[in-house]
Amino acid sequence: DAKTTQPNSMESNEEEPVHLPCNHSTISGTDYIHWYRQLPSQGPEYVIHGLTSNVNNRMASLAIAEDRKSSTLILHRATLRDAAVYYCILRGLQGAGSYQLTFGKGTKLSVIP
Amino acid sequence: DTGVSQDPRHKITKRGQNVTFRCDPISEHNRLYWYRQTLGQGPEFLTYFQNEAQLEKSRLLSDRFSAERPKGSFSTLEIQRTEQGDSAMYLCASSLIGTGIRRQETQYFGPGTRLLVL
Repeated sequence: DAKTTQPNSMESNEEEPVHLPCNHSTISGTDYIHWYRQLPSQGPEYVIHGLTSNVNNRMASLAIAEDRKSSTLILHRATLRDAAVYYCILRGLQGAGSYQLTFGKGTKLSVIP
Repeated sequence: DTGVSQDPRHKITKRGQNVTFRCDPISEHNRLYWYRQTLGQGPEFLTYFQNEAQLEKSRLLSDRFSAERPKGSFSTLEIQRTEQGDSAMYLCASSLIGTGIRRQETQYFGPGTRLLVL
């Protein structure tokens, strides 16, 4: 799997937007960009994924650069419950190999009340 | 609650003892994964099953580790002759693999079993 690079940590004030960056300069044309997050003392949970176009769901938005070498996870209004480690993961097409998730160290997001 | 469940949530054992963890996936999910997570690191893949077949094992899965999913439902992960380096959180995840090459599966994780080997 192609490698991703994320900042080790970020801080945000409560109720403000948060932009979590991820660099993936070696992404292949068929790699999807997935985000998972892990709240303290819990297993990871799926947040969002995309291929080329920006994506929105009830949890977050995913903005993908035109050259696909970077992406940004956007939390529109951070809450205390959003304090977690956020992982950016690249995954290939189904049937193209293993289905495992390859986690890096992620970005630890702290939300300040 | 219809999510992934794991039992026990915590386990303390002495070096050299055997331990077994159980994972109950979301009903009808055909894929089941085991991951291990040490402090400050992201989860690392250990092995996965599609139905009852174990399709891939990581090189992290030494011969002291064995996993089963006998009827394609729950799974067990056994560690024999535990070592202090086995202390970690063991995470289970399940997913439903559909058809279509562009379909991207979502993995649903359990709360994990935290193992401490003294």
